[in-house]
Amino acid sequence: KQEVTQIPAALSVPEGENLVLNCSFTDSAIYNLQWFRQDPGKGLTSLLLIQSSQREQTSGRLNASLDKSSGRSTLYIAASQPGDSATYLCAALSGAGSYQLTFGKGTKLSVIP
Amino acid sequence: NAGVTQTPKFQVLKTGQSMTLQCAQDMNHEYMSWYRQDPGMGLRLIHYSVGAGITDQGEVPNGYNVSRSTTEDFPLRLLSAAPSQTSVYFCASSYWAGSQETQYFGPGTRLLVL
Repeated sequence: KQEVTQIPAALSVPEGENLVLNCSFTDSAIYNLQWFRQDPGKGLTSLLLIQSSQREQTSGRLNASLDKSSGRSTLYIAASQPGDSATYLCAALSGAGSYQLTFGKGTKLSVIP
Repeated sequence: NAGVTQTPKFQVLKTGQSMTLQCAQDMNHEYMSWYRQDPGMGLRLIHYSVGAGITDQGEVPNGYNVSRSTTEDFPLRLLSAAPSQTSVYFCASSYWAGSQETQYFGPGTRLLVL
């Protein structure tokens, strides 16, 4: 059974700092690794998707990397802004034939002005 | 496109009552799924469907039923609500359950079972 862990559970940084969020998964037989953002009381918004054959994906100030062999992914946020404050969730798509997303519990990010 | 819509946004039930959480998407997506999100537990898959007429169980299916009669709709039924089903429920969809497709999530339904 796939298990996804995110560390830290919460993170507070001053505006302008670069930061890294960590995600680890136990089963390396994944189809992809996805990062989502969730604002309080809202649904999930997809940020980046890294296919199993890829090493990283970039979108604006966000960069996500994937190391299947070690079961790790990181989300790098450059020059953080107060608007980046949210909970960030990573999810691994796996399960032969069933394509199930397994989520981590998230990292709650607060960017202090 | 409205994307993924869910109704109601909030619902209070008494133990033993039944209800249906509605989910609809207008993107012609084949794959649809239901998750529940609980504090400290993250999101967990309840049921999913890879197309009209095809459904399967996820990680926590007990107490929930689903059906998929059309591509657009994927309702989640609580047959006899229990306090343990108090949660936020999210519906999601994607073109297909493949490695290149991300899932689009609805805004969620907050359910309180007394």
